[in-house]
Amino acid sequence: AQSVTQLGSHVSVSEGALVLLRCNYSSSVPPYLFWYVQYPNQGLQLLLKYTSAATLVKGINGFEAEFKKSETSFHLTKPSAHMSDAAEYFCAVTGIGFQKLVFGTGTRLLVSP
Amino acid sequence: EAGVVQSPRYKIIEKKQPVAFWCNPISGHNTLYWYLQNLGQGPELLIRYENEEAVDDSQLPKDRFSAERLKGVDSTLKIQPAELGDSAVYLCASSLVEDEQFFGPGTRLTVL
Repeated sequence: AQSVTQLGSHVSVSEGALVLLRCNYSSSVPPYLFWYVQYPNQGLQLLLKYTSAATLVKGINGFEAEFKKSETSFHLTKPSAHMSDAAEYFCAVTGIGFQKLVFGTGTRLLVSP
Repeated sequence: EAGVVQSPRYKIIEKKQPVAFWCNPISGHNTLYWYLQNLGQGPELLIRYENEEAVDDSQLPKDRFSAERLKGVDSTLKIQPAELGDSAVYLCASSLVEDEQFFGPGTRLTVL
């Protein structure tokens, strides 16, 4: 079975500050990991994905994440937050074959001026 | 390129009534997914289609939920009868390659 745990249902940062959203995974097989963003009343948009290539993954909108097997983590970071980054962020895991994405409960990012 | 289209965007019904949601995936995407997203939660897979075949429906409550994907293109998800606990957002996604799913905007269902 696979699962992800997102620490913190809400994260608040000031505009220009570092963004760090935490995700830890559990998987009995080599995992593939994803971060999605969801803006209000919209579907999910893929930010970035780890599929066993480079452990440091760069995504859209200046986000990146690092796969750390020893820590079973895949935290999402961005050096400088923008107001437009305010949204819900979901970490997800799947195994070989990509047959089933298992999502975390999400972290709402709040960005203040 | 048009994205995944879902309709309606919002639906309000009374309990015990039937309801149906429609999804048109991105052209050429042979894999289609229906997810349920409860408030404050991540999406949970209900059913996955490869072309017209339902290859994973293990999480679909078959006593009241049904789905079809005729001709392997668009799909319909139905609930009959709806219960109060079915209030949620129903998301459709499609994919061409295995590692990237594209999501529609969802249908927000409210059951009164």
